[in-house]
Amino acid sequence: DAGITQSPRHKVTETGTPVTLRCHQTENHRYMYWYRQDPGHGLRLIHYSYGVKDTDKGEVSDGYSVSRSKTEDFLLTLESATSSQTSVYFCAIKAGTQETQYFGPGTRLLVL
Amino acid sequence: EDQVTQSPEALRLQEGESSSLNCSYTVSGLRGLFWYRQDPGKGPEFLFTLYSAGEEKEKERLKATLTKKESFLHITAPKPEDSATYLCAVQGGSNYKLTFGKGTLLTVNP
Repeated sequence: DAGITQSPRHKVTETGTPVTLRCHQTENHRYMYWYRQDPGHGLRLIHYSYGVKDTDKGEVSDGYSVSRSKTEDFLLTLESATSSQTSVYFCAIKAGTQETQYFGPGTRLLVL
Repeated sequence: EDQVTQSPEALRLQEGESSSLNCSYTVSGLRGLFWYRQDPGKGPEFLFTLYSAGEEKEKERLKATLTKKESFLHITAPKPEDSATYLCAVQGGSNYKLTFGKGTLLTVNP
């Protein structure tokens, strides 16, 4: 357990509504990541952060935005949810000298 | 672009039947190759990091090895509790991102 919590753990929403997922860490790690996991695709990076207010895009960033106003929280926002964004979302932090990423428990999102 | 291919997609073993999972990769300047275990409904759990060809790491019944083109996760005398999806990922030389394979679903029958 790398001290990562994600909220909510499950969410059902409708197409076109905004959705924000929260990742919270308790150990002041600099790097935080958002991934999505879909059958047949594996884990794909959406956005990542390398410090407060410092973020960058991953390979599947379209339709997503992120914010990091304090070290411990990294928010992922779907501005207008679509059915293609139905997925399981994982947050990760990078810790230790070996640059290992540790994952949170995930958020299961269903967009109807 | 970094690429990771894992094989087989699924593997079914009898308890005690040893086998290996494969992770083939292409990357520009390997910074690390990572193995994770993922149980249904949970986040990936870190197992090993390998950095250079010839390196090996062990944990209980698992042993990970690395060459310049692939990594193997050897499972010796598996037990039903080893059933999970095993994920492989690489980190290239000039970025802080992991590229994941699609995973191998391992089922160990008692």
